Amino acid sequence: DAGVIQSPRHEVTEMGQEVTLRCKPISGHDYLFWYRQTMMRGLELLIYFNNNVPIDDSGMPEDRFSAKMPNASFSTLKIQPSEPRDSAVYFCASNTGTKVSDTQYFGPGTRLTVL
Amino acid sequence: TQLLEQSPQFLSIQEGENLTVYCNSSSVFSSLQWYRQEPGEGPVLLVTVVTGGEVKKLKRLTFQFGDARKDSSLHITAAQPGDTGLYLCAGLSSNTGKLIFGQGTTLQVKP
Repeated sequence: DAGVIQSPRHEVTEMGQEVTLRCKPISGHDYLFWYRQTMMRGLELLIYFNNNVPIDDSGMPEDRFSAKMPNASFSTLKIQPSEPRDSAVYFCASNTGTKVSDTQYFGPGTRLTVL
Repeated sequence: TQLLEQSPQFLSIQEGENLTVYCNSSSVFSSLQWYRQEPGEGPVLLVTVVTGGEVKKLKRLTFQFGDARKDSSLHITAAQPGDTGLYLCAGLSSNTGKLIFGQGTTLQVKP
């Protein structure tokens, strides 16, 4: 199995630009999670989906952030417009079980730098 | 808000030494997980502890869940350079069903 796939691995953009991060979960996994990791705040859950439906987006910082999961094999996290404080590593993870608490498998992350 | 505090934040030791990393909270968690993250990669699950007082061993790593399920520790015996990485604890909130991560402990083991 290829594991969770994220693209791009690195993204450098200027303030005000739209950024789209992509994730392909492990086939057969019903849960998909988006996390953000920074030195100051650690690893934070932004949103998670179950069977392509957003379940909890309470971690999404503001309206500039949006996430979609149009099908079981693809999800996007979009930031529009981006700001320097959005610079972080964004991780996607998927879950093998039937509960949100089951083992999560993380992708390699996208390192975002907003200038 | 449930928080998990890890200590120490940074640890640099020589190969062969022992170490303990702590994960503490004032809240009770349904279970607690430990992850290891290497540079440029995502966290990888090491272990899940569920029962208060539970102890699990993974080769040279020993994980313990506090009796009250509010804290946990990770003990590494005879650390190796391959143990270098970021160690994260994550508690499963009984209120929200979501994982709450600690800030992490960065471990460097020098040969």
